[in-house]
Amino acid sequence: QLQLQESGPGLVKPSETLSLTCTVSGGSISSSSHYWGWIRQPPGKGLEWIASIYYSGSTYYNPSLKSRVTTSVDTSENEFSLKLSSVTAADTAVYYCARQRGPAEDFDHWGQGTLVTVSS
Amino acid sequence: QSVLTQPPSASGTPGQRVTISCSGGSFNIGSNTVNWYQQLPGTAPRLLIYSNYQRPSGVPDRFSGSKSGTSASLAISGLQSEDEADYYCAAWDDTLNGLYVFGTGTKVTVL
Repeated sequence: QLQLQESGPGLVKPSETLSLTCTVSGGSISSSSHYWGWIRQPPGKGLEWIASIYYSGSTYYNPSLKSRVTTSVDTSENEFSLKLSSVTAADTAVYYCARQRGPAEDFDHWGQGTLVTVSS
Repeated sequence: QSVLTQPPSASGTPGQRVTISCSGGSFNIGSNTVNWYQQLPGTAPRLLIYSNYQRPSGVPDRFSGSKSGTSASLAISGLQSEDEADYYCAAWDDTLNGLYVFGTGTKVTVL
């Protein structure tokens, strides 16, 4: 079955760039209609959508984060990535990658999440 | 600052019916479908309801969703101890260039 796995540094210094990759297995990232998204959850708080990307490169960003977010897809590696620049302590969160059924649809498969702490 | 408002908590005894509300606006729930996610302690969210009332394969039929106007509800009938979790509503919001918004979340406690 479809599985998603986040990977990347667990500790990032303030003002630096957070970089995460989500590796998809059990299915193709190039499947038609599906988007691939990033969602985060600060410790003890709720969920916040960050961005979604289609395999062709079409993207949607949360307006509140858009100026700092870059996403990309590598179809040859069946993975997609997130970069968040100029991080602060407020960016400390568990970051999830997930499959989205369409550009405005639900997230039906999720990775287990990875905690990223912003601290010097 | 979510645009979808949920009660912070709800509770019930085993076997009871619990309902969680999700209040939005015309640009999100009022014009798009609603999804619900269950997050068990220490785990990733799981899709529980999509397109207002549809259940993914494997979700028990004691979970049901509904939508009316700019509000939605999730009902859990026959509450079980394993239902103790956080529940989030979510929907696409058409403001600005569009964004996917989650509700504030509701902690369900089984007494």
